[in-house]
Amino acid sequence: GQNIDQPTEMTATEGAIVQINCTYQTSGFNGLFWYQQHAGEAPTFLSYNVLDGLEEKGRFSSFLSRSKGYSYLLLKELQMKDSASYLCAVRDSNYQLIWGAGTKLIIKP
Amino acid sequence: GAVVSQHPSWVICKSGTSVKIECRSLDFQATTMFWYRQFPKQSLMLMATSNEGSKATYEQGVEKDKFLINHASLTLSTLTVTSAHPEDSSFYICSALIGGEGSPLHFGNGTRLTVT
Repeated sequence: GQNIDQPTEMTATEGAIVQINCTYQTSGFNGLFWYQQHAGEAPTFLSYNVLDGLEEKGRFSSFLSRSKGYSYLLLKELQMKDSASYLCAVRDSNYQLIWGAGTKLIIKP
Repeated sequence: GAVVSQHPSWVICKSGTSVKIECRSLDFQATTMFWYRQFPKQSLMLMATSNEGSKATYEQGVEKDKFLINHASLTLSTLTVTSAHPEDSSFYICSALIGGEGSPLHFGNGTRLTVT
């Protein structure tokens, strides 16, 4: 079966750096997405990786290793507003999106 | 700005009634839209894929006669929850794909449905 694993919850301090890991086993691979979802709101797109390596976008970076079935989302200079759930999603060989359960990130002052 | 508009944002209805949720693509044509459901503290669950001009494709376990999907135009898809029950209370979110294969899904703001 298809599976995506992320930690359920993480805690970090304002101003610090946090890395949220995602491992996946899917039927084929056509890209990996990271989304941010605040409580009670819909997800918003953060990043997309299809080739190995690091994609940087401001305070957020996302890394992919296809051979390891692994990705991480790196958040720098954490702000209180970064408290949210972070969803990892993989597009499989049928271009279906497989979603992880999300990682709830708690930022403490 | 938002590229997918969803309405209403929240709705409370009585058990046994039906509720319609609209999802509109703004400034682009969406031949395919996706309907998700999310229960508290759980991940997104794809309910169905809505295809313009044809029948929706439902995921396993989703009752097509209960969750009616209509995609009559390139900018509008609707989800009707028929004969709603309290267990249908959830967060319903529509999304659309804009662009090619590497493009992300863009989500509407979601509809919080509460069935009393």
